[in-house]
Amino acid sequence: DSGVTQTPKHLITATGQRVTLRCSPRSGDLSVYWYQQSLDQGLQFLIQYYNGEERAKGNILERFSAQQFPDLHSELNLSSLELGDSALYFCASSEGVFGNTIYFGEGSWLTVV
Amino acid sequence: GESVGLHLPTLSVQEGDNSIINCAYSNSASDYFIWYKQESGKGPQFIIDIRSNMDKRQGQRVTVLLNKTVKHLSLQIAATQPGDSAVYFCAENRDAGGTSYGKLTFGQGTILTVHP
Repeated sequence: DSGVTQTPKHLITATGQRVTLRCSPRSGDLSVYWYQQSLDQGLQFLIQYYNGEERAKGNILERFSAQQFPDLHSELNLSSLELGDSALYFCASSEGVFGNTIYFGEGSWLTVV
Repeated sequence: GESVGLHLPTLSVQEGDNSIINCAYSNSASDYFIWYKQESGKGPQFIIDIRSNMDKRQGQRVTVLLNKTVKHLSLQIAATQPGDSAVYFCAENRDAGGTSYGKLTFGQGTILTVHP
């Protein structure tokens, strides 16, 4: 158990809908990262927050957004969902802002039908 | 780099053998490297890491070797066990002087199968 908690574990939704994935980082970790894992693209970095502020952006679509709250939990919002958004979405956390020893949660499996 | 999930390299070994998983990285500015293990249905699990000022680091049953000249990373697993069967990913990260702020770039992964 990495200490990173993600909910929900599985989610099935229809195209055009919006979903929110939730993440609680490890105790004491200030950085939260979101990654997407799909068969064709592998593990891709989406975005990082540190202590409530966005710190780095990767291949995140404009239809997706994230935020980190004062209690350090984070949410990833996916809107106008398309079939191609079906993937495993991982949250990860680390103590500092520059990564190092990043621990991953178990993921949220999103299926868009 | 990009990963192509349908064409992952595979490595099959017998229980008790030593395993070597290789990874080539492309960014010469990367100075921190990590190996992750991912079992089916689970998130990537941290195994071992190494900074670019080192060429070897050992953990429990695992050793990571870094060759910066040819931008190559390897993970050696001693006395491989069936429980080691998983997909293994190398990942690279820039340091505080970079701009990626902890963004990891993952390799495509290698499927390790350990036969009893």
